[in-house]
Amino acid sequence: SQTIHQWPATLVQPVGSPLSLECTVEGTSNPNLYWYRQAAGRGLQLLFYSVGIGQISSEVPQNLSASRPQDRQFILSSKKLLLSDSGFYLCAWGVETQYFGPGTRLLVL
Amino acid sequence: QKEVEQNSGPLSVPEGAIASLNCTYSDRGSQSFFWYRQYSGKSPELIMFIYSNGDKEDGRFTAQLNKASQYVSLLIRDSQPSDSATYLCAGPGPQGSTLGRLYFGRGTQLTVWP
Repeated sequence: SQTIHQWPATLVQPVGSPLSLECTVEGTSNPNLYWYRQAAGRGLQLLFYSVGIGQISSEVPQNLSASRPQDRQFILSSKKLLLSDSGFYLCAWGVETQYFGPGTRLLVL
Repeated sequence: QKEVEQNSGPLSVPEGAIASLNCTYSDRGSQSFFWYRQYSGKSPELIMFIYSNGDKEDGRFTAQLNKASQYVSLLIRDSQPSDSATYLCAGPGPQGSTLGRLYFGRGTQLTVWP
């Protein structure tokens, strides 16, 4: 069966610090991978998606970036965090159906 | 107009009642829809998907798709306090969208009181 992992589970970072969130998927090959952000009381915002290694599509221009160095690994990064980057970051995998990881709760102070 | 919209909510029903959640979509060509449940502080989990016009039942849950009217519903029978969560509707978006890219509604918060 397929499993999706995200870490860390929670993170508190100062404004201007870098960010690296990691997502890995087990039990499947060449999945589509997605990064979403959910701000408090808001809906899901798609940030990036990837259909293969090195293939990244950005949905919203911002100070975040994504990379897919391996088939089942998806990384979300930032060089300098903003207060507005606080939120619940969710990784998902799938093609027609999407399955979410447990999420990373990020608080930028 | 957004691809998928959920305008109702929050919704509060007594235990044992039927909870009805609704979603509308903009693209007549959309073929498949998904319902996710999200407990407070947790990630969304898939509970139902529907591809065909009509009803699909799974236990206490029934998903309904009406392509002519472009709406999708989720009915929860015999609602339990453990059903209290936010329910997200998702669809594939307009023709030409990347395969697998889903558009999510903002969600409907459901509270089932004992």
